[in-house]
Amino acid sequence: NAGVTQTPKFRILKIGQSMTLQCAQDMNHNYMYWYRQDPGMGLKLIYYSVGAGITDKGEVPNGYNVSRSTTEDFPLRLELAAPSQTSVYFCASSYPDRGPNTGELFFGEGSRLTVL
Amino acid sequence: QKEVEQDPGPLSVPEGAIVSLNCTYSNSAFQYFMWYRQYSRKGPELLMYTYSSGNKEDGRFTAQVDKSSKYISLFIRDSQPSDSATYLCAMSGNYGQNFVFGPGTRLSVLP
Repeated sequence: NAGVTQTPKFRILKIGQSMTLQCAQDMNHNYMYWYRQDPGMGLKLIYYSVGAGITDKGEVPNGYNVSRSTTEDFPLRLELAAPSQTSVYFCASSYPDRGPNTGELFFGEGSRLTVL
Repeated sequence: QKEVEQDPGPLSVPEGAIVSLNCTYSNSAFQYFMWYRQYSRKGPELLMYTYSSGNKEDGRFTAQVDKSSKYISLFIRDSQPSDSATYLCAMSGNYGQNFVFGPGTRLSVLP
């Protein structure tokens, strides 16, 4: 059982370049999330999705875009990369009505992005 | 004032010590409280989950929630080197949604 898989694990971008971080889950979870984690700042929500075809902004959406065409996949697009987007990005999924720990987030291992 | 505050540490303790990790929060609507453990260069994983006030125990771990003081705690008994990680508190007012995370406390348990 793979859980939540993120690719790539590491990436260096130049200012102004664009890229897509991939996220896939095999747990049939309807909720999916993208967070960024900066030192001393905790996890900040970028975008989330409650199901295929439905996405919504989180706390820090500027400079990012998402799509959710299938239950399994939730890619995060960075347009015109800036140094402020240097961070560790985590994808997570959940199924709020399932299991004893409702709303438990299952995280991927993260994608480390540096923008120079 | 930040919505969730947590001492970032680092906190170093000897093996076998009792560890106390804490978070304070400002939003009285929070009802779901969680502790996640994050090993270096890994994603967070759920450690403890509590709804509303009270205590919950799971092996060496005890989570406490005091909603009147807006204060939550995680206690680790007989700490082990394998407990060395960053501990993130998280909380939500909505059923399984809209989690707010603390910045995390980095813990080192020394053999």
